Amino acid sequence: QVQLKETGPGLVQPTQTLSITCTVSGFSLTSYYMQWVRQTPGKGLEWMGFIRSGGSTEYNSEFKSRLSISRDTSKNQVFLKMNSLKTEDTGVYYCARDRYGGPFAYWGQGTLVTVSS
Amino acid sequence: DIQMTQSPSSLPASLGDRVTITCRASQDIGNYLRWFQQKPGKSPRLMIYGATNLAAGVPSRFSGSRSGSDYSLTINSLESEDMAIYYCLQHNEYPLTFGSGTKLEIK
Repeated sequence: QVQLKETGPGLVQPTQTLSITCTVSGFSLTSYYMQWVRQTPGKGLEWMGFIRSGGSTEYNSEFKSRLSISRDTSKNQVFLKMNSLKTEDTGVYYCARDRYGGPFAYWGQGTLVTVSS
Repeated sequence: DIQMTQSPSSLPASLGDRVTITCRASQDIGNYLRWFQQKPGKSPRLMIYGATNLAAGVPSRFSGSRSGSDYSLTINSLESEDMAIYYCLQHNEYPLTFGSGTKLEIK
């Protein structure tokens, strides 16, 4: 059974760095792309980026150099790191896995991140 | 970036109705179009992939179609469990982009 679960800090201060872990089970990270998407009040659903089954990454240029996606296959975990947080980054962050030759077939429950001092 | 223009933003409907939601792509995306359903407090759920294919477990009253750059999600014989927000997504090129959502609600 495919399962994904995000774990995040909840509250982050402006200018600080966000770190979220996506822990998966029921499949191997070396066989599937893993995506990150967020949902904010201001912009709705936004694709952030992904890490391929081979380990290379692709990012939405909207996040420029603020975003980094990595993984630890031995722990079945994917990581999102984003620096220089702003209040507009407040929202729910999701990890998701592909199926049917495309993205977002399986989703985690999401983790709410609030950027506030 | 490819813009996905979704309409309507809100759709009041009655149980048993047939409803259609549309997304128009600003550039050619082929059939790289997916539809998602999101209920309050829940993660989005994949409903349609490849513009016309039902994802596993999705009731057959849902269907997807394409006419040129217009993509539609149709729900036949609305049930109460279908009340949700629906989003389209293009994954033909980066950045992947979502529509702004259609809130389907009971009239």
